[in-house]
Amino acid sequence: QSALTQSRSVSGSPGQSVTISCTGTSSDVGGYNYVSWYQQHPGKAPKLMIYDVSKRPSGVPDRFSGSKSGNTASLTISGLQAEDEADYYCCSYAGSYTVVFGGGTKLTVL
Amino acid sequence: QVQLVQSGAEVKKPGASVKVSCMASGYTFTNYAMHWVRQAPGQRLEWLGWINVGNGNTKYSQKFQGKVTITRDTSASTAYMELSSLRSEDTAVYYCARWPTTSWYFDLWGRGTLVTVSS
Repeated sequence: QSALTQSRSVSGSPGQSVTISCTGTSSDVGGYNYVSWYQQHPGKAPKLMIYDVSKRPSGVPDRFSGSKSGNTASLTISGLQAEDEADYYCCSYAGSYTVVFGGGTKLTVL
Repeated sequence: QVQLVQSGAEVKKPGASVKVSCMASGYTFTNYAMHWVRQAPGQRLEWLGWINVGNGNTKYSQKFQGKVTITRDTSASTAYMELSSLRSEDTAVYYCARWPTTSWYFDLWGRGTLVTVSS
């Protein structure tokens, strides 16, 4: 399986909104509503932010939202805060009980 | 406290094997499956495989088939990931991640185990 495609970096100022995209194929992102997003701060383990394309685990601020259109999933962070600066990874079910991760996007809060 | 506690950092020589453990606490171990994910320095997350903790069945990424072996000891609430024929490219942080099985996401992660392969 090839990694899902994410833009390498994105930036925004505090209070602004940013969107991170994740492009796959009809065999993964486009074929299932099983896209999840993870936030990873330097030296830390990933943290689940969004699952099943658009669901938020308890404790995750509603500034984080997810969506999907065709083979591309998106994570939108509104009202950017300094602590949102991190790497973000998408992940999708890829059939046959396998998953595939994206290449990761570095979010910089200016 | 619900957590996954991983074993400590390892330094191995090329050609050797390494076995990393992941002990679950605060929840019923057999109610979830366990996945393993690695991250080479400065690189992306890479999925290795998973184990059905209840029956021991496993599924591996095609890339790691024959290289990775995932096992578990239910009496110790611990999952293991063994990596063989180590090469320098296997230097990475290895994470265990809990899978609820009701959908496809990882809701709890270990803190990671750094495996360094160096002669």
